[in-house]
Amino acid sequence: GDSVTQMEGPVTLSEEAFLTINCTYTATGYPSLFWYVQYPGEGLQLLLKATKADDKGSNKGFEATYRKETTSFHLEKGSVQVSDSAVYFCALSDPRNKLVFGAGTILRVKS
Amino acid sequence: ETGVTQTPRHLVMGMTNKKSLKCEQHLGHNAMYWYKQSAKKPLELMFVYSLEERVENNSVPSRFSPECPNSSHLFLHLHTLQPEDSALYLCASSQHVTDSYEQYFGPGTRLTVT
Repeated sequence: GDSVTQMEGPVTLSEEAFLTINCTYTATGYPSLFWYVQYPGEGLQLLLKATKADDKGSNKGFEATYRKETTSFHLEKGSVQVSDSAVYFCALSDPRNKLVFGAGTILRVKS
Repeated sequence: ETGVTQTPRHLVMGMTNKKSLKCEQHLGHNAMYWYKQSAKKPLELMFVYSLEERVENNSVPSRFSPECPNSSHLFLHLHTLQPEDSALYLCASSQHVTDSYEQYFGPGTRLTVT
């Protein structure tokens, strides 16, 4: 079945550091890909998405590019802030809009 | 963001209790979902409703009983739960149950079964 694998955390960075959280997927067909963020005590919020190969999703300084050849959707940000501390989930959706999530990566940003 | 609301936010219940979780979406969406988020496990899809009709049930034990009386409301009725059912239960909605329609999540109900 479809699956998503993302790097284990926690990832601890200093403020203004460069962030990469790796995500790879296995799927039949061509799924849409998503990054969701979960702040402490809250539900998931959609951060960005891409619906086809080579699409780049971006939001709040975060970017991810849909790479079909490497089946990847890595999340990047050039300069993280303390307020970015959260859990980040990579996910794909099948044609029935069933979301399959990765395990989540905790990001901690120190000032 | 108050598009999807869930009540209660926290719930503690004994194994013999019966309780219900409520979800309401104010986005005019046609599809609603229940997810379970356990510690150190990926989010698990439990149920999917489209236009009040259940379209997916992911092998969820019968002690969890969903109800969707209309497209804006979704309930999860709980009875005789086990301690391992303790988790964060998330509700979500989307415009339709088809690919590329993003899902909007509520804040979740933190359930503790004692």
